Amino acid sequence: AQSVTQPDIHITVSEGASLELRCNYSYGATPYLFWYVQSPGQGLQLLLKYFSGDTLVQGIKGFEAEFKRSQSSFNLRKPSVHWSDAAEYFCAVGAGNTDKLIFGTGTRLQVFP
Amino acid sequence: NAGVTQTPKFRILKIGQSMTLQCTQDMNHNYMYWYRQDPGMGLKLIYYSVGAGITDKGEVPNGYNVSRSTTEDFPLRLELAAPSQTSVYFCASTGSQDQPQHFGDGTRLSIL
Repeated sequence: AQSVTQPDIHITVSEGASLELRCNYSYGATPYLFWYVQSPGQGLQLLLKYFSGDTLVQGIKGFEAEFKRSQSSFNLRKPSVHWSDAAEYFCAVGAGNTDKLIFGTGTRLQVFP
Repeated sequence: NAGVTQTPKFRILKIGQSMTLQCTQDMNHNYMYWYRQDPGMGLKLIYYSVGAGITDKGEVPNGYNVSRSTTEDFPLRLELAAPSQTSVYFCASTGSQDQPQHFGDGTRLSIL
């Protein structure tokens, strides 16, 4: 069965520091992979997606993610975090041909000034 | 640009009451979804639809019903509200497999 694991429930970083959020997936075929961000009281906003091609994908707000098939990972990175990046981040994998998404349990990012 | 609109934003129900959570999208998307989000659990798929007149169960469908009479609307019905249904509910839509899902702002539902 498909699954997504985000091993870090909560991460705290200082503003200006680099960030890496981990995501591992289990899926039999080449997956569609997504990172979403959720600010408090808001819905989910797409940061970036991977379908095929270049394994390093660029997203909005200066985020990037790298698909590593050998490690079944799709980690999210940002070189310098801003206070406004504090939010919850969800990794998701597309399953099957009905566009169902399987979400990880999320990583809450806290940013200290 | 409206996107995906959910109403109401907040609601408190008594056990055993019924209600319908509304979801409408103006992007002419065929695929629509209902999720619930509980703390520390991520999003769980309740029901989804691949087009008007077609619905199917997701991971956690018990206690819910849906209908899809039009492309735009995908209401979620709770017939007999239970405390376990206290959650934040999100509706989402997408046009195709190679496009991301667009989410509404959610409905926060408390059942007391």
